[in-house]
Amino acid sequence: DAGVIQSPRHEVTEMGQEVTLRCKPISGHDYLFWYRQTMMRGLELLIYFNNNVPIDDSGMPEDRFSAKMPNASFSTLKIQPSEPRDSAVYFCASRQQGTLLGTEAFFGQGTRLTVV
Amino acid sequence: GESVGLHLPTLSVQEGDNSIINCAYSNSASDYFIWYKQESGKGPQFIIDIRSNMDKRQGQRVTVLLNKTVKHLSLQIAATQPGDSAVYFCAERFGSARQLTFGSGTQLTVLP
Repeated sequence: DAGVIQSPRHEVTEMGQEVTLRCKPISGHDYLFWYRQTMMRGLELLIYFNNNVPIDDSGMPEDRFSAKMPNASFSTLKIQPSEPRDSAVYFCASRQQGTLLGTEAFFGQGTRLTVV
Repeated sequence: GESVGLHLPTLSVQEGDNSIINCAYSNSASDYFIWYKQESGKGPQFIIDIRSNMDKRQGQRVTVLLNKTVKHLSLQIAATQPGDSAVYFCAERFGSARQLTFGSGTQLTVLP
């Protein structure tokens, strides 16, 4: 398996523009997580899905942020309109069902977003 | 103005020495703990995990120790190599929650 795949790897956009980040989880994984990483706040969970259903979106900072998972192999995180303070690295992670040791979340390479 | 970021604890070790990275977790009800390694420009990578009913677990060159009395977790890396240079994060989870709560990380630098 190629692991969790995110695109694009880098995104530079102007303030006010819409930004869409994409994620393909590992095949067979039931959970998908979106995290944001900044120097100020470290790694923060934004939202997670179980079997394509959003379970907890309490970490989504504002209504400008939205996430969807239309099927088991694809998810998007959208920011509209984007602001400079949204600049961060956004990670997608997935894991399988169950609580066995060693089944924890596997992360993608991240999308580095810069809003100017 | 100058931005203020997280002040990451740092640890420098000589190549070949053993490393010990420490983490204090916040929730006494947490029942699962995990260590991740993050190299520059990459996503966090799973290293090893442990449940609260264990106090030690070993992997390849790594050992995780859990002290629930003082809410302390440590990661020991044997014979540290240059490729071990990275930021190491501990994370915790409690109850039926599926999400992890991450610590701020420790920067490990391996000196030649």
